[in-house]
Amino acid sequence: AQSVTQLDSQVPVFEEAPVELRCNYSSSVSVYLFWYVQYPNQGLQLLLKYLSGSTLVKGINGFEAEFNKSQTSFHLRKPSVHISDTAEYFCAVSLGSGGYQKVTFGTGTKLQVIP
Amino acid sequence: EAGVAQSPRYKIIEKRQSVAFWCNPISGHATLYWYQQILGQGPKLLIQFQNNGVVDDSQLPKDRFSAERLKGVDSTLKIQPAKLEDSAVYLCASSFRGAPSGELFFGEGSRLTVL
Repeated sequence: AQSVTQLDSQVPVFEEAPVELRCNYSSSVSVYLFWYVQYPNQGLQLLLKYLSGSTLVKGINGFEAEFNKSQTSFHLRKPSVHISDTAEYFCAVSLGSGGYQKVTFGTGTKLQVIP
Repeated sequence: EAGVAQSPRYKIIEKRQSVAFWCNPISGHATLYWYQQILGQGPKLLIQFQNNGVVDDSQLPKDRFSAERLKGVDSTLKIQPAKLEDSAVYLCASSFRGAPSGELFFGEGSRLTVL
C-alpha cells in the first residue's frame, strides 16, 4: 500500500520569501506524484504533477517540485511567495490498482504568507 | 467547460438524522470519487465509481453510509443515521478515465455539521 507524509502541518513565511513544502512517499511500485492546492472554502485543484522524464516539474502560479527517487521525496518550492499563495497544499500519490486509479493524499500543509 | 457541481454547500443536522449529498461530475468523466475531509486532515476516499460500478468502497462505513451512481453520471452519498464524528467536508471529484496519471477535478465540497 502506498502512503504520503507531509512533514509540516503549517508553514508561515514572509511575503516575497522562498518556501519549500516537504512531501515523502512510500510505495512498493512506481507511482505518479501530484500537488494539489485548496483555497479557503473551495475544492482542491491541481498545481503540478510528475509522471516521468525530467525530475523538475513546473506548475501554475510559479510553483515547481523536484522528484527524488532515492529519497522518495517530492518537495514543492516557490522562490518568492505572494499573499495570494495562502492556502493548504496536499501532496498525493497515484497508482494503478486492479485496473483503476488509486489516489492517496497527505494530511496537508497550510501555507500562511505574512505581509 | 462546467466543473464538478455539488449540493448542498452547507448542511447542519442533529445526530441520528439523515442527510444526502449530490454530485454532478464533468461531462464525459467515467470515474467519480467521494472523499471525506475532516478538519485538519487530508481527504480520505470513501467510494470510487467507474461508470456506474463500484471499484473501491473499502473505507466506506457501510452500516450508515451509502452511495449510488445511476446511469454512470450523477451520484448521491447518503448518511443515515449521522454521528458527531461525521462532521466533515464531503468532496466529490471526477476524472476522465481513471488512469493513474490522470488529474482529479474537485467540486467545492459539502460541509456537514452534526450537532
